[in-house]
Amino acid sequence: DAGVIQSPRHEVTEMGQEVTLRCKPISGHNSLFWYRQTMMRGLELLIYFNNNVPIDDSGMPEDRFSAKMPNASFSTLKIQPSEPRDSAVYFCASTFLAADYNEQFFGPGTRLTVL
Amino acid sequence: QKEVEQNSGPLSVPEGAIASLNCTYSDRGSQSFFWYRQYSGKSPELIMSIYSNGDKEDGRFTAQLNKASQYVSLLIRDSQPSDSATYLCAVTRSGGSYIPTFGRGTSLIVHP
Repeated sequence: DAGVIQSPRHEVTEMGQEVTLRCKPISGHNSLFWYRQTMMRGLELLIYFNNNVPIDDSGMPEDRFSAKMPNASFSTLKIQPSEPRDSAVYFCASTFLAADYNEQFFGPGTRLTVL
Repeated sequence: QKEVEQNSGPLSVPEGAIASLNCTYSDRGSQSFFWYRQYSGKSPELIMSIYSNGDKEDGRFTAQLNKASQYVSLLIRDSQPSDSATYLCAVTRSGGSYIPTFGRGTSLIVHP
């Protein structure tokens, strides 16, 4: 298995532009997580999906952030409009969510820089 | 807000020594506990999971859990320079959601 796939790996954009991050989870996993990691705040959960349904989006910082999971093999995280404070590494992770087995497998991350 | 606390470090140990990493958590109902390792510029990877009080050993790694004290630790025996990384403690929330809350990590440096 190729593991969790994220694209792009690096994104540099200007303030006000729309940014779309993409994720393909591991086949067979039923849950997908979007995280943001910064030096100041560490690893923060933004939103997670279970069986393609958004379950908890309380970590999404503002209405500028939105996420979708149209099918079991694809998810997007969109920021519109982007701001410099959105600069961070965004990780996607997947797992088969069940009691006593919820190891999360992380993708390589997307390093976002908003100028 | 459920918290997971870790000393940010860096923790510096000589090669061959035991590195001890600690984590405390506030949610008494937490059931699952994980240690992830994150190399600089890379993504976190799971190295240990523990679900019941006591010790769990896997090679050079030992996880220790004390639910009464709300404390989980990771011991790395015979530390190697390749162990130099940030170690993230993750604790699942109570209520059956199985969703982890991550600590901010402890930076470990193993010097030759």
